[in-house]
Amino acid sequence: DAGVTQSPTHLIKTRGQHVTLRCSPISGHKSVSWYQQVLGQGPQFIFQYYEKEERGRGNFPDRFSARQFPNYSSELNVNALLLGDSALYLCASSPRVAVYNEQFFGPGTRLTVL
Amino acid sequence: AQTVTQSQPEMSVQEAETVTLSCTYDTSESNYYLFWYKQPPSRQMILVIRQEAYKQQNATENRFSVNFQKAAKSFSLKISDSQLGDTAMYFCAFINGDDKIIFGKGTRLHILP
Repeated sequence: DAGVTQSPTHLIKTRGQHVTLRCSPISGHKSVSWYQQVLGQGPQFIFQYYEKEERGRGNFPDRFSARQFPNYSSELNVNALLLGDSALYLCASSPRVAVYNEQFFGPGTRLTVL
Repeated sequence: AQTVTQSQPEMSVQEAETVTLSCTYDTSESNYYLFWYKQPPSRQMILVIRQEAYKQQNATENRFSVNFQKAAKSFSLKISDSQLGDTAMYFCAFINGDDKIIFGKGTRLHILP
């Protein structure tokens, strides 16, 4: 079975640009969560979507937005990129809404903002 | 603010030895969940073990076990008979009342041949 997939693997952008990251959950998983992992830190929760609705939001500015599609795949959008947005962005899927259930992580997208 | 603290940024042990990774957390909640996640050099994070706070019994998964001390707000991970494949970053994590997961900064574990 395919695991969580994310695209692209790596991305280089300049300050002020916009970026879209994509995530495909494990088949049958309806919950998708997004995390930002800055180098040397643990992941920080950004969003959770379940059944196409936002179920949780972390302490991130409005420049960060996300959505989930009918096939449960998800996009994370970041506007007006800052140098501090450089990080590994992780997507995780789960079959149920409660995040205390096991989450299955993708390999991440490495975003570099110059 | 609810926090998760991992006081050991980096550790090295010989293969086959036992190693314990420390984690403390701060919360006023009485019911919550604690996790250890492993992130190997290939980056894909996987769940190692999960503990529900209302359960007294410490969770175990094969060579991995935890020492959960609720009063002390401590949640350490013990890896027995360590293997080269255990080399990874290990993150302690906590689910708070808002159902948002909080990760510690991680412990980089090296298993030496």
